[in-house]
Amino acid sequence: DGGITQSPKYLFRKEGQNVTLSCEQNLNHDAMYWYRQDPGQGLRLIYYSQIVNDFQKGDIAEGYSVSREKKESFPLTVTSAQKNPTAFYLCASDSAGGLISTDTQYFGPGTRLTVL
Amino acid sequence: GNSVTQMEGPVTLSEEAFLTINCTYTATGYPSLFWYVQYPGEGLQLLLKATKADDKGSNKGFEATYRKETTSFHLEKGSVQVSDSAVYFCALRARDNGNKLVFGAGTILRVKS
Repeated sequence: DGGITQSPKYLFRKEGQNVTLSCEQNLNHDAMYWYRQDPGQGLRLIYYSQIVNDFQKGDIAEGYSVSREKKESFPLTVTSAQKNPTAFYLCASDSAGGLISTDTQYFGPGTRLTVL
Repeated sequence: GNSVTQMEGPVTLSEEAFLTINCTYTATGYPSLFWYVQYPGEGLQLLLKATKADDKGSNKGFEATYRKETTSFHLEKGSVQVSDSAVYFCALRARDNGNKLVFGAGTILRVKS
């Protein structure tokens, strides 16, 4: 089955530690995205990548980093510089490289990160 | 900039009641409009979409019509079920914003049996 997988589902981190969230897709999509979801708020864009080896900052990139070495993978690192990292993180992808407004974005199941 | 406003929740209904969740948008261009649904502890799933004025998106008994004159995309369902309990997000995507998805805050729907 084609889809987006995220791991782990739950992640706990101590303050001051970096942590990496995994996102893999087998949909052959060009573009991939990371969003952050906080209670009572919509999703906010952290980073996105329209093509391998290229990525752009979204609206709330501070304290996060990404890489896109393979088409199917887009890991997100939450660094110790992120002041309030506890949130639900969602990965998404779409086929048109983010170039077409009618294109549908598909989402993974999410990773819930809690800082202890 | 582009934005989406949804009615605040939670919305609590009895089974078989009629559902409306209001969504209005602000955009300078001609956006595509989406409704996503999120069940507890899961990611978002596309529910329906409409890509031009007067289009009606529909899926699983849900409908929404793209009304450019009122900049609205209200979600409706004639008879809700307990299994429809979830968070519903309205979103837009427009070329003048780099085709980034812009989300509303989400509306919690609770359906009682």
